[in-house]
Amino acid sequence: DSGVTQTPKHLITATGQRVTLRCSPRSGDLSVYWYQQSLDQGLQFLIQYYNGEERAKGNILERFSAQQFPDLHSELNLSSLELGDSALYFCASSVLSGGPGELFFGEGSRLTVL
Amino acid sequence: AQSVTQLGSHVSVSEGALVLLRCNYSSSVPPYLFWYVQYPNQGLQLLLKYTSAATLVKGINGFEAEFKKSETSFHLTKPSAHMSDAAEYFCAVSLEGTSYDKVIFGPGTSLSVIP
Repeated sequence: DSGVTQTPKHLITATGQRVTLRCSPRSGDLSVYWYQQSLDQGLQFLIQYYNGEERAKGNILERFSAQQFPDLHSELNLSSLELGDSALYFCASSVLSGGPGELFFGEGSRLTVL
Repeated sequence: AQSVTQLGSHVSVSEGALVLLRCNYSSSVPPYLFWYVQYPNQGLQLLLKYTSAATLVKGINGFEAEFKKSETSFHLTKPSAHMSDAAEYFCAVSLEGTSYDKVIFGPGTSLSVIP
């Protein structure tokens, strides 16, 4: 158990819909990262928050947004969903914003868009 | 720009045989290097990391990796495979002193262990 909690574990929805994925980092970790894992793209970095502020952006679509709340949990919002958004979405956390420490990953939220 | 390649998207070994998973990186400056493992239906878990100390790095579950600058490689090995080693393995690289948004993951190698 990494200590990172993600909900929901599975989600099935239709194209055009909006979903919210939730992540609770390990106790004491200030950084939260979101990754998308798909068969054709591999593991892609989406966005990072550190202590409530956006720290870095990766390959995140404009239809996607995220935030980190004062209690440090984070939400990833996916809107106007398309079939290609079907993937496993991982949240990871770390103590600091920089390396080379360890990233702790949650078990992921599997999104299926029909 | 950094990049990571993993030779072989799928590797099969017999139980008790040597495990060798290959990772090559490209980086213009000394990197940090990582191996993560993903068991079925789980998130990624750190196996080991190289941070410019000893070139031979020992990790969990009997795995180790050797940093070879001349070959720009960071191959993962284990002397004797166990059935529980069946998983997806990811090599990753980041630049020294940078934040984790710069961690680049390789495409992964799926390891199967044959009884």
